[in-house]
Formats: sequence, C-alpha cells, structure tokens
Amino acid sequence: QTVVTQEPSFSVSPGGAVTLTCGLSSGSVSTGYYPSWYQQTPGQAPRTLIYNTNTRSSGVPDRFSGSILGNKAALTITGTQTDDESDYYCALFLGNGISIFGGGTKLTVL
Amino acid sequence: EVHLLESGGGLAQPGGSLRLSCAASGFTFSSYAMSWARQAPGKGLEWVSTITASTGGTYYADSVKGRFTVSRDNSKNTLYLQMSSLRAEDTAVYFCASRGRFYFDNWGQGTLVTVAS
Repeated sequence: QTVVTQEPSFSVSPGGAVTLTCGLSSGSVSTGYYPSWYQQTPGQAPRTLIYNTNTRSSGVPDRFSGSILGNKAALTITGTQTDDESDYYCALFLGNGISIFGGGTKLTVL
Repeated sequence: EVHLLESGGGLAQPGGSLRLSCAASGFTFSSYAMSWARQAPGKGLEWVSTITASTGGTYYADSVKGRFTVSRDNSKNTLYLQMSSLRAEDTAVYFCASRGRFYFDNWGQGTLVTVAS
C-alpha cells in the first residue's frame, strides 16, 4: 500500500522561510508523480497552490514555490506571513486515474 | 469565475445510501474531469473518485470501490456521487473538485455526510 509522507507539523517565524516535504513510503517522488500542493484553513475548502511539481496556480503569490529535493517533492514558503498558518497537503498522481494525498503538515507561524 | 456547489449531505444510517450532487458553473464543465475527495473530522484529505471528461471513465479509491458510483450529467453541469452500503468511517465532508490533468484545480465548499444510527 502506497503511503505519502509529510511532516505532521512545522513552525516558522514571520518573515522566515520554510520547506515542507512530500515523500513516498517506498521509493522516490519524481516529476512523473506530478506532485501538487494544497492549502487549507480549518472549516474551509482546500486551495490549490502548486501543480505539476512547480507551477503556481492562478493568484498564488511567488512566495510559494515547488520543487523536487532529493527523493521528495517540496513546497517552500519564503517571507512567511501570519496568514500562511494553515494545513498543507501534497498529492501525487499514481497513474490509472488514482491520486493520493499525504497526511498533511500543520504550519504554525509564530 | 468557477463555482462548485455540493449538496445532498446529511445523516444516513449504516448500510444506507445517499446521493451527493455538485453543481458547476463558470467553466465548460463537459471538458473537464471531475473528482470527489473527502475529509473525516479532524483528519486529512482523501481522494475518493474521478470521472473523465469525454469517455466518462471512472476511478475509485479502494476504500469505496464497489460501494460508491460517480457519474456526471453534462447537460446539467452536474457531478454526482451515489453512495451505498455506508459505514461509520464514511463520515466526512465531501468536496467536489475540477481536475487539471494530474491535479485538483478548483474546489467546492463541501457537504457533510454523517453515518450513524
């Protein structure tokens, strides 16, 4: 069974930078998994941030960037703002129409 | 502006059925694959199902395969999720989402499904 791994929580200071990662329980994440990233605040719908590894969705500020770092997908936030305090989910496309989300990272800005 | 509005959630008994709808507007619905995802209380997101735009091919997570059926009516710009043999673990907020080629693009606000006796 494929499991997508994310850090359960992360803290960053306002104005700082943070990199969240998205890995696979077995194997490496590559661009062929078309990693995407989503931001969600409690009680709200998810918001699409990044797709196809590093393409920002419309209206997403360039403080958010996606990449592959080593064997994981990564979401980097620079100049972090208090509004960025949210849950962040990655998703991988496994082929045959199947997608899978990671468990999410709760980002605290303090 | 893209707008997705889910409806049909509510309380269902274990073993029961429920049909969710997702009304779409602001884009050419028939040209896009659509997905359902869900989020159990206090938990993360889980992909549930995807239906393609053209051929209507369908895909399901193992957790719902054989119990849920996704469909669409392009004449009504509406996506559906027929849920049967419901279990307590199906309790969640269900979101519909339009699809980019390999990702979830625009999201609805969700509808809550509670399975309990």
